[in-house]
Amino acid sequence: EDQVTQSPEALRLQEGESSSLNCSYTVSGLRGLFWYRQDPGKGPEFLFTLYSAGEEKEKERLKATLTKKESFLHITAPKPEDSATYLCAVQASGGSYIPTFGRGTSLIVHP
Amino acid sequence: DTEVTQTPKHLVMGMTNKKSLKCEQHMGHRAMYWYKQKAKKPPELMFVYSYEKLSINESVPSRFSPECPNSSLLNLHLHALQPEDSALYLCASSQGVIRGPYEQYFGPGTRLTVT
Repeated sequence: EDQVTQSPEALRLQEGESSSLNCSYTVSGLRGLFWYRQDPGKGPEFLFTLYSAGEEKEKERLKATLTKKESFLHITAPKPEDSATYLCAVQASGGSYIPTFGRGTSLIVHP
Repeated sequence: DTEVTQTPKHLVMGMTNKKSLKCEQHMGHRAMYWYKQKAKKPPELMFVYSYEKLSINESVPSRFSPECPNSSLLNLHLHALQPEDSALYLCASSQGVIRGPYEQYFGPGTRLTVT
């Protein structure tokens, strides 16, 4: 069974304090790993797709990286508007083609 | 345009009511999804439509009835719901389902309260 585990469950940062969120996964074969941002009471917003180990993608203060067992979402010099829940989802190459979501990391950035 | 729209934004209904949630996308996507999300939990898959045909039903109770009138529209008909069905209902779409990977684009959700 595909498993996706995100850590930490919650993270509090001061504005400008860089950090990383982790998404570890166990799948029979990885077709793709997705990162989403979700604001309270709203739908998830797509951020990145990573396809293979060693791949990196960037968007503003966010950088996502991928290894064979986990992905990191690095947040550089965060601002209060980066506060949200960050969800990781994995699509396996075998079995169900529907992405499996992790439980998310709730990020709060204090001014 | 990567927008998925959902109506209504909020819905309060009694346990004997019948109501419908609506979702629309104009990205030419061929797969559409309904998810249910409770507070502090990830989205939970309910239904998947691929090329307007129901391809996945995650053992959802029959009081939830999906419908895909065309490739751009997705409805969720609600009848005789229970208070525990109160949640944020999310619609999503993607280019496809098979192979991929295909990122999903989510709508803003409908906040449903069952009284």
